[in-house]
Amino acid sequence: GAGVSQSPSNKVTEKGKDVELRCDPISGHTALYWYRQSLGQGLEFLIYFQGNSAPDKSGLPSDRFSAERTGGSVSTLTIQRTQQEDSAVYLCASSLGTVSYEQYFGPGTRLTVT
Amino acid sequence: AQKVTQAQTEISVVEKEDVTLDCVYETRDTTYYLFWYKQPPSGELVFLIRRNSFDEQNEISGRYSWNFQKSTSSFNFTITASQVVDSAVYFCALSEADNYGQNFVFGPGTRLSVLP
Repeated sequence: GAGVSQSPSNKVTEKGKDVELRCDPISGHTALYWYRQSLGQGLEFLIYFQGNSAPDKSGLPSDRFSAERTGGSVSTLTIQRTQQEDSAVYLCASSLGTVSYEQYFGPGTRLTVT
Repeated sequence: AQKVTQAQTEISVVEKEDVTLDCVYETRDTTYYLFWYKQPPSGELVFLIRRNSFDEQNEISGRYSWNFQKSTSSFNFTITASQVVDSAVYFCALSEADNYGQNFVFGPGTRLSVLP
């Protein structure tokens, strides 16, 4: 079956522009996670969804970041007024549920803000 | 708060050597889950194993083995007879049953380089 997909795979944008990153989870997976990974660094948790609800938004770095999930499936991470420090790989993962289930990761979107 | 420590930032071994990657966790919960993931140079994280807090049996899968010890809050990963293809960053992760918020915490990762 299909794994987690993310689009675009690469995005170069100018400072100050808005960007949207998309994640298509594995069919039937109710939980969806967003992480950020800077070059050579670990995973920084951003937000997770259980269904369409996001119980914890505390990981979002600033109010320029927002995310939504519709129909319990596709999720979009939006970054407004991008800054150079937003440059990173944004990873999406999905799982059958939270806590006890392993996450399956997508290939990521590499965002470069110039 | 839950926490995962991977004290080894980078490890280099020569092919066919055995190598152990350490993972130490902190949690107040009695029910929790531990995971290992591999991130090869291609970038995509791959799930390796899941363990729950009630199952301390060690696990072996081919050249991979995992040692879970609640007494020392450790979940170490050993690769036997390492190969160049094992070169990757390995992440340990912890998930707690009673944490409503960020219930999945990753360690900082250990970069393993296996030299031919």
